[in-house]
Amino acid sequence: KNEVEQSPQNLTAQEGEFITINCSYSVGISALHWLQQHPGGGIVSLFMLSSGKKKHGRLIATINIQEKHSSLHITASHPRDSAVYICVKDSNQFYFGTGTSLTVIP
Amino acid sequence: ETGVTQTPRHLVMGMTNKKSLKCEQHLGHNAMYWYKQSAKKPLELMFVYNFKEQTENNSVPSRFSPECPNSSHLFLHLHTLQPEDSALYLCASSQEAVGGYTGELFFGEGSRLTVL
Repeated sequence: KNEVEQSPQNLTAQEGEFITINCSYSVGISALHWLQQHPGGGIVSLFMLSSGKKKHGRLIATINIQEKHSSLHITASHPRDSAVYICVKDSNQFYFGTGTSLTVIP
Repeated sequence: ETGVTQTPRHLVMGMTNKKSLKCEQHLGHNAMYWYKQSAKKPLELMFVYNFKEQTENNSVPSRFSPECPNSSHLFLHLHTLQPEDSALYLCASSQEAVGGYTGELFFGEGSRLTVL
């Protein structure tokens, strides 16, 4: 069983839609990271959080420690948001989810 | 620009070649990582260097040999690779605190390796 489970694996949305990507993890964590990987391969760290909620522009990340669950929300989605979003559990070492491939259609 | 630079971005090599991947970080971080990303698979940790000391080697075959001459530079030396080693190799760095809290990860753009 993976330490980190993401859903959905693939997601297609119309421009402007509200998007949610979910991440569940096993056991405890020090922190949870959300990464964005563009088609060229480069990875950018979007959020690192250990409780509550963080917001950056149109992106919001939440975490529920009791339920071992985190969500990444994108408001007013745009084609440039098309990427793979990866959830990473940080508990003395990193455990990576398989990623959610998002395509936003104009 | 994330502050982590990888070269080359693309590399094609034969199974008998020797080549190296290079990673440089300008963030003052004390931990650097090599990850392998194969198609449709999660990122796999290969090596961790913390304060220039190798602290983790995730059962990586000896045909991959890391080198960390200082806290800003990390190399991955490649020798007699196999076609299944073709993948995207990503370098990352973080400011690792005592006690295992790893801090935010900063990734390079990756080196896409093809082994013929």
